[in-house]
Amino acid sequence: AAGVIQSPRHLIKEKRETATLKCYPIPRHDTVYWYQQGPGQDPQFLISFYEKMQSDKGSIPDRFSAQQFSDYHSELNMSSLELGDSALYFCASSARTRNTGELFFGEGSRLTVL
Amino acid sequence: AQKVTQAQTEISVVEKEDVTLDCVYETRDTTYYLFWYKQPPSGELVFLIRRNSFDEQNEISGRYSWNFQKSTSSFNFTITASQVVDSAVYFCALIGDYKLSFGAGTTVTVRA
Repeated sequence: AAGVIQSPRHLIKEKRETATLKCYPIPRHDTVYWYQQGPGQDPQFLISFYEKMQSDKGSIPDRFSAQQFSDYHSELNMSSLELGDSALYFCASSARTRNTGELFFGEGSRLTVL
Repeated sequence: AQKVTQAQTEISVVEKEDVTLDCVYETRDTTYYLFWYKQPPSGELVFLIRRNSFDEQNEISGRYSWNFQKSTSSFNFTITASQVVDSAVYFCALIGDYKLSFGAGTTVTVRA
């Protein structure tokens, strides 16, 4: 069965550079969530999209932006990277309309900022 | 407001011991879903169980069991006869009103 696909799985960037993470949700899932998990921390909610519109916003820095495209994939853009942005970034998708509680996570994208 | 609390930060046991992870939640929603995820050292979040707010039936899956008590807003997780491979961080999570909240996680270390 298809799962949530995240790319790239690993990314190494220098300070002040830009990074883009991609998330491909499970087919027919209409909601995407982005989470950031720093070392030894629980996942922190960044932002979510429902039907291509931003539905909720968490602790996402102004340097970050995200969007969901017509094919429901989502991209998280991070600019002016800082050392503290080094983390595991998870994407999750769900079928909000069906309200079944389905929630699936991708394997995560590990960003290292040097 | 929505909140998930995992009171235990770390639990260390010897192999074959049972270990129970506590999870207490707060939500104003009448319909919500509770989850447990396992995060091994490799980092991915492994889905263990999903339970909706209307189903208080306890569940057992192999060595894993879950006790959902709506009256106390708890969704506890027990690993029976723990094994070294159970060593991981375990997260309890809640999705309600389309918001997903995680607990802080409990690090379980199983020693041989």
